[in-house]
Amino acid sequence: DADVTQTPRNRITKTGKRIMLECSQTKGHDRMYWYRQDPGLGLQLIYYSFDVKDINKGEISDGYSVSRQAQAKFSLSLESAIPNQTALYFCATSDTGQGWYGYTFGSGTRLTVV
Amino acid sequence: DAKTTQPTSMDCAEGRAANLPCNHSTISGNEYAYWYRQIHSQGPQYIIHGLKNNETNEMASLIITEDRKSSTLILPHATLRDTAVYYCILKKGGSNYKLTFGKGTLLTVNP
Repeated sequence: DADVTQTPRNRITKTGKRIMLECSQTKGHDRMYWYRQDPGLGLQLIYYSFDVKDINKGEISDGYSVSRQAQAKFSLSLESAIPNQTALYFCATSDTGQGWYGYTFGSGTRLTVV
Repeated sequence: DAKTTQPTSMDCAEGRAANLPCNHSTISGNEYAYWYRQIHSQGPQYIIHGLKNNETNEMASLIITEDRKSSTLILPHATLRDTAVYYCILKKGGSNYKLTFGKGTLLTVNP
């Protein structure tokens, strides 16, 4: 099983609908992140969480909300989806322990808003 | 975090070394150079990172200039599966700092 699992892998939704993307991890990491990637561009940080009680906005949080239900679960919601939120979404985790602080990414969720 | 500059794209012949440059002339003393790659629409994958010394692991080598203003990622024997976008990212030491991605370099390995 993957260390960082994102569901669904692909989703098509209509404008105005509420949608939730889910992320779960078996790494035991405290820190979790949601990134968005538009075609031909790098990843942009939407929200991040350093522990269950900590939620922080990233570069592009407008139109999104998150929930950290447990150390292992971090969900991203689009309250009212719009077409320019069509993108590839990635969840990532990182560790607070000693040593390097690299990220582990999930396989992504491809979201299309029509 | 300081900014990095990478070429938009590069080509490399299969079996040859791929040398990917990254300019980070405004790097600060506590910033590490991290390299990630993203193979077509998959999640980015960590490759290597370094502060001031050259580093090597099973995937690649990282050469950092003495003044730390630039670095080069070396894939010693590129294969077709190394075709990907390679991101050079500066990040301060410590787990509270986040990765900020640029557009990276698209490396195409040709047969």
